[in-house]
Amino acid sequence: DAKTTQPNSMESNEEEPVHLPCNHSTISGTDYIHWYRQLPSQGPEYVIHGLTSNVNNRMASLAIAEDRKSSTLILHRATLRDAAVYYCILSRGRAVRFGAGTRLTVKP
Amino acid sequence: DSGVTQTPKHLITATGQRVTLRCSPRSGDLSVYWYQQSLDQGLQFLIQYYNGEERAKGNILERFSAQQFPDLHSELNLSSLELGDSALYFCASGAGAGYTEAFFGQGTRLTVV
Repeated sequence: DAKTTQPNSMESNEEEPVHLPCNHSTISGTDYIHWYRQLPSQGPEYVIHGLTSNVNNRMASLAIAEDRKSSTLILHRATLRDAAVYYCILSRGRAVRFGAGTRLTVKP
Repeated sequence: DSGVTQTPKHLITATGQRVTLRCSPRSGDLSVYWYQQSLDQGLQFLIQYYNGEERAKGNILERFSAQQFPDLHSELNLSSLELGDSALYFCASGAGAGYTEAFFGQGTRLTVV
């Protein structure tokens, strides 16, 4: 499976936008980019996924670089409830291992 | 609430024992995935079943086995338990055979003493 690289941790202020980066320089043409998050003491939660075009849903936006070697998860207005570990993973249609992710801290 | 139900929530057992973890997927989902999460290994994919058939295998030990029943619920059997098997075990479900949007349960915390 192709590898992703994310910062270990990030901080944000409440009600400000958050940009969570992910590098995946060895991505193949059939790899989908998925983002999940895991709140404390909970199971992972699906956030968004995409292949080539930018994607928006009610939770977040996914911006994918033109060469697909990196992507950014955008939370438009962080709330305290968004404090979690965010995982960026690549999948060719089958389940894969989650990496260490980025621990997001949201400050009031 | 993801709609995925895992039982039991907590399990404490001794080394060498066997346990069964149960997962009920979201209504309508045909795929069930099992993951193991330990502090030093992150979330490891174990195995996927789709509509009763094994679809994909990850880092599942030979001491572990799973199955998916006709009503689509799944069980993960862990035998000859070792201290290192202590972890959170998550089940997730998805609509199709391919991995897109997966819904995770709250997990079963297994402690082997």
